[in-house]
Amino acid sequence: EDKVVQSPLSLVVHEGDTVTLNCSYEVTNFRSLLWYEQEKKAPTFLFMLTSSGIEKKSGRLSSILDKKELSSILNITATQTGDSAIYLCAVEADAGNMLTFGGGTRLMVKP
Amino acid sequence: DVKVTQSSRYLVKRTGEKVFLECVQDMDHENMFWYRQDPGLGLRLIYFSYDVKMKEKGDIPEGYSVSREKKERFSLILESASTNQTSMYLCASSLAGFAFFGQGTRLTVV
Repeated sequence: EDKVVQSPLSLVVHEGDTVTLNCSYEVTNFRSLLWYEQEKKAPTFLFMLTSSGIEKKSGRLSSILDKKELSSILNITATQTGDSAIYLCAVEADAGNMLTFGGGTRLMVKP
Repeated sequence: DVKVTQSSRYLVKRTGEKVFLECVQDMDHENMFWYRQDPGLGLRLIYFSYDVKMKEKGDIPEGYSVSREKKERFSLILESASTNQTSMYLCASSLAGFAFFGQGTRLTVV
């Protein structure tokens, strides 16, 4: 059965810190890995990664995929209190955009 | 170990059938949510519930209804399934801003 595991489960940091969130997966016929941020009711799409070793960046957020290690990391630099949210990782496998979600990492950024 | 369990991983139903998607959480959370995920559209909220027997419409409630008779169970109902409801359905529960997601149900309506 396909599996996506995120770590840590939760994280508390102070403003200005840099954080690294981890996502590892075991799926059949990997197609892509997606990162979402959930602050309110519906998660917001952040990144889609399909190729190993290519970093995607958006402001203070960046992410990279390692297909050899079956994992991805999401980095947030110079964290702000507004970054407090749940960060979700999902992996698309096989045809038909079947997604498997990890349990999420709950990030809290304190002033 | 916290858990949100969706009753089926894969479902295939015929047009016009009534479809029930079940979600159970074991964390005593008050808030539960149903989303669907489609390519290029991200996750969209269908319905959510803040308490037993309470429900509120999300962004795309048309064609769906929900039931929350017990705190741990939140059901999504497709009264008459249509092909445009073929999608990935995701359930979540949350407390104080911390959400946990199920593994998703891939529904195909033929």
